Amino acid sequence: SQTIHQWPATLVQPVGSPLSLECTVEGTSNPNLYWYRQAAGRGLQLLFYSVGIGQISSEVPQNLSASRPQDRQFILSSKKLLLSDSGFYLCAWSPALDSAGNQPQHFGDGTRLSIL
Amino acid sequence: QKEVEQNSGPLSVPEGAIASLNCTYSDRGSQSFFWYRQYSGKSPELIMSIYSNGDKEDGRFTAQLNKASQYVSLLIRDSQPSDSATYLCAVNEEGYSTLTFGKGTMLLVSP
Repeated sequence: SQTIHQWPATLVQPVGSPLSLECTVEGTSNPNLYWYRQAAGRGLQLLFYSVGIGQISSEVPQNLSASRPQDRQFILSSKKLLLSDSGFYLCAWSPALDSAGNQPQHFGDGTRLSIL
Repeated sequence: QKEVEQNSGPLSVPEGAIASLNCTYSDRGSQSFFWYRQYSGKSPELIMSIYSNGDKEDGRFTAQLNKASQYVSLLIRDSQPSDSATYLCAVNEEGYSTLTFGKGTMLLVSP
């Protein structure tokens, strides 16, 4: 069965510090991968998604970036964190689109990021 | 801009009652519809998928889809306090890799 791992679970960082969040998926090949942010009391905001190694689509202009160095690894980074970067960061995966074209996404446990 | 609308709630129901959660979407090209449950402080968990008009039942959950009205709903029968959570509706268009999520409806089930 497929599993998704996301770490760390919680993180407290000062303003201006760098960030690296990692997500890995096991038990599947060539998954679609996603990074979301959920601010307190808000909906899910799609930040980045990837349909393959080195292929990153950005949905929202941010001081964040994403990379996919390996098939089942997705990394969210920032060089300098802002106060507004606080939130609940979620990684998700879905199977690559098949002939039906539609697949649900499955989420990791998330990282709660607080910026001080 | 694709939109998915949900009443934010909270929707309060007594234990044992039927909870009805509703979702409307703007894109007529949408083909797949999902319901996620999110407990406070936790990540969303997929509970139902529906692709065709009509009803789909899974245990105490029933998803209902009406593409002509661009409406999808989730019924929870015999609601339990453990069902208290935020329920997210998600929609995608055939051939696209991304989902559009609603902001969620908070459900409170009182003992």
